Amino acid sequence: RKEVEQDPGPFNVPEGATVAFNCTYSNSASQSFFWYRQDCRKEPKLLMSVYSSGNEDGRFTAQLNRASQYISLLIRDSKLSDSATYLCVVKPANAGKSTFGDGTTLTVKP
Amino acid sequence: NAGVTQTPKFQVLKTGQSMTLQCAQDMNHNSMYWYRQDPGMGLRLIYYSASEGTTDKGEVPNGYNVSRLNKREFSLRLESAAPSQTFVYFCASSEAWSRSGNTIYFGEGSWLTVV
Repeated sequence: RKEVEQDPGPFNVPEGATVAFNCTYSNSASQSFFWYRQDCRKEPKLLMSVYSSGNEDGRFTAQLNRASQYISLLIRDSKLSDSATYLCVVKPANAGKSTFGDGTTLTVKP
Repeated sequence: NAGVTQTPKFQVLKTGQSMTLQCAQDMNHNSMYWYRQDPGMGLRLIYYSASEGTTDKGEVPNGYNVSRLNKREFSLRLESAAPSQTFVYFCASSEAWSRSGNTIYFGEGSWLTVV
């Protein structure tokens, strides 16, 4: 089993739709959680960190469920510019090494 | 502020040739990393350097070597390139290996094709 698993998609949604991605992790000692965004043929960039209480940044909401060991990303009112691959990243306390999921591809269509 | 800069951006190698990918960061970060990515697939950690003077193997180190030249620079060497090493290579850095909330900053990638 992979340490971090994501549904690869692709998710094809119309503009304005709400879409949610989940990511499960296997290491219960995981401490820090992130969502990165990667555009086609570009480098990954941090989208947002995921906090225990959940957090929101504009149209983006991230949630953490430690009991079930998953994190989620909700995108409301999807824009064409949201089309990208979204990578889930998990980092254990102290050990340092971040583990990336394989990513979920989102395509927002007019 | 350039962030993480890696060279070359594109390279075609013949099987058996060697080459070095160069990487430098100007953010005074302690930790640096080399990842590879198959298009449409995830990132795999090749080697990392938690701090200047140290290097460690990641998930897929075979066929690669690294050098942490100083705090700014971390190079990746392919001694005898093979077609199975055709990937996009990303150099990355972060402030501290062990810190929670540790954002990883990536270079723009190096597209390597081995024929």
